[in-house]
Amino acid sequence: QKEVEQDPGPLSVPEGAIVSLNCTYSNSAFQYFMWYRQYSRKGPELLMYTYSSGNKEDGRFTAQVDKSSKYISLFIRDSQPSDSATYLCAMSVGGGGNKLTFGTGTQLKVEL
Amino acid sequence: GAVVSQHPSRVICKSGTSVKIECRSLDFQATTMFWYRQFPKQSLMLMATSNEGSKATYEQGVEKDKFLINHASLTLSTLTVTSAHPEDSSFYICSASPGGNQPQHFGDGTRLSIL
Repeated sequence: QKEVEQDPGPLSVPEGAIVSLNCTYSNSAFQYFMWYRQYSRKGPELLMYTYSSGNKEDGRFTAQVDKSSKYISLFIRDSQPSDSATYLCAMSVGGGGNKLTFGTGTQLKVEL
Repeated sequence: GAVVSQHPSRVICKSGTSVKIECRSLDFQATTMFWYRQFPKQSLMLMATSNEGSKATYEQGVEKDKFLINHASLTLSTLTVTSAHPEDSSFYICSASPGGNQPQHFGDGTRLSIL
């Protein structure tokens, strides 16, 4: 069993839809949780960074962390074609200077 | 803020050549930088952790003599793929963190093709 599980997709939604992306993990020591967006042939871009359980909102993006269930989510409201990319969840025991454990990434396509 | 620059973005060279990739933190100092490798449609695989002024820490299975890492300053780390062969062809990505509990930011990657 992988330490972090993420459905690879592809996930296809119409423009304007609410997108829900999820990851589960097995290591209860993880404290820091991140979502990155990666366009083809580019490096990952940080979208959300959260510590411990709770919600965090930034524009159209909302990150949720439920440590009791070892489950994290990223919601994208009013999805746009420009949101089409691969979304990677990542987590670490310590802060950003520590080793990250990534999910496999979910490929999202937002169609007109 | 927190911009990481990686160069070159694309390299094509002959088998046996050594290739150097640079990773720079443009607007912050990074005590620690990371080097990843990514195969098509797969996630990032950590190769090594680069610490300024000391030897890099390599992940299991990564050849130290093959992938030389130098982190000579707080804003620059380099990865040299020595005597590259076609199986070394891949997408190499670096990341850096400003430190403390701040997250890692990634460069745009280097696509290496060995003929």
